[in-house]
Amino acid sequence: GDSVTQMEGPVTLSEEAFLTINCTYTATGYPSLFWYVQYPGEGLQLLLKATKADDKGSNKGFEATYRKETTSFHLEKGSVQVSDSAVYFCALGTRKLIFGQGTELSVKP
Amino acid sequence: NAGVTQTPKFQVLKTGQSMTLQCAQDMNHEYMSWYRQDPGMGLRLIHYSVGAGITDQGEVPNGYNVSRSTTEDFPLRLLSAAPSQTSVYFCASSYKPLQGAQEKLFFGSGTQLSVL
Repeated sequence: GDSVTQMEGPVTLSEEAFLTINCTYTATGYPSLFWYVQYPGEGLQLLLKATKADDKGSNKGFEATYRKETTSFHLEKGSVQVSDSAVYFCALGTRKLIFGQGTELSVKP
Repeated sequence: NAGVTQTPKFQVLKTGQSMTLQCAQDMNHEYMSWYRQDPGMGLRLIHYSVGAGITDQGEVPNGYNVSRSTTEDFPLRLLSAAPSQTSVYFCASSYKPLQGAQEKLFFGSGTQLSVL
């Protein structure tokens, strides 16, 4: 069945460091791909999405490119801030939305 | 501008008790779903619905029932609570998927459930 695999956390970075969180997927058909973010004590919020191969989603300095050939959707940001500390979820969407296990990011000043 | 409303926010149950987690949305979304979130497991889909009268199982449906009698409401029922159901539960909704691709989900604020 459909599934999403993310790199394990926690990931700890210093402010202004480069961020990559890996995400790979298995799916039949042509799913949409998403990154959601969860701040402490809150529900999930959509960060960015891509609906077809080679699409790039971007928001708040974060980017991810839908790579069909490698079945990947890695999240990147060039310079992280303390306020980016959260849990990040990769997700795959067809008739329903399937999430990865989440990657906790902690950014230190 | 309520969005997705979940009640209660916190609940403690004894093993074997039953209860219903409520979820309502005011955005006229056709798609609604329930997830549970456990440490190291991410969010796992319990049940979902693509419209009134239509429900389907997700990844972890056992021990849970749902119904969708109206577009607005999607309650989750625990018939006989077990300690393994201790978790944080999220309800989420979206416009009906187009061409099989899921659209943006709007999440409720969650229900923290403990089963003793």
